[in-house]
Amino acid sequence: AQSVAQPEDQVNVAEGNPLTVKCTYSVSGNPYLFWYVQYPNRGLQFLLKYITGDNLVKGSYGFEAEFNKSQTSFHLKKPSALVSDSALYFCAVRPHGSGNTGKLIFGQGTTLQVKP
Amino acid sequence: SAVISQKPSRDICQRGTSLTIQCQVDSQVTMMFWYRQQPGQSLTLIATANQGSEATYESGFVIDKFPISRPNLTFSTLTVSNLSPEDSSIYLCTHSGNTEAFFGQGTRLTVV
Repeated sequence: AQSVAQPEDQVNVAEGNPLTVKCTYSVSGNPYLFWYVQYPNRGLQFLLKYITGDNLVKGSYGFEAEFNKSQTSFHLKKPSALVSDSALYFCAVRPHGSGNTGKLIFGQGTTLQVKP
Repeated sequence: SAVISQKPSRDICQRGTSLTIQCQVDSQVTMMFWYRQQPGQSLTLIATANQGSEATYESGFVIDKFPISRPNLTFSTLTVSNLSPEDSSIYLCTHSGNTEAFFGQGTRLTVV
């Protein structure tokens, strides 16, 4: 079965320190990979994507993510965390190829807590 | 990127009633998707709505409980029928862009 795993329910980091939110996936082929962020009482906001090309992709608010095909991982990173980055982060995968309609498979989410 | 508007943004409903959620996209899109986010949980796909055909439901979701309409390429509705407290969730619609999906703000449903 196709799945996405975010092994950490919560990540705590001090403001100014680097952060990493982990994501691994089990999807056949070459899926599209995404990170979304959800602030309290808000919808999902798109952060960044990997489709093809350079393994390091940059997105909104200074976030970046590194695609590792051999490890089937797509970890979210930021060099210097801000308190305002505190939110719920979802990794998502879109299987790509014949018969795939564009639906997304989401990880369970990781709460990022950045402390001053 | 297409902008998605959902109505209502939130509602409190009595058990046994139904709620219809509307999703409007500001450009024509082929596929629209409805997701459910139960409290403290991730997003789960309910169904895929393609204009001119019946929606395709994921395992665990049935048309009688979650009827969907897709009358044109910019609009869809999801009805949550015979509400129970277990239906209290955020319901989100989205469309499949060429790559990333864009979400509406969601509808927060509370069933009392």
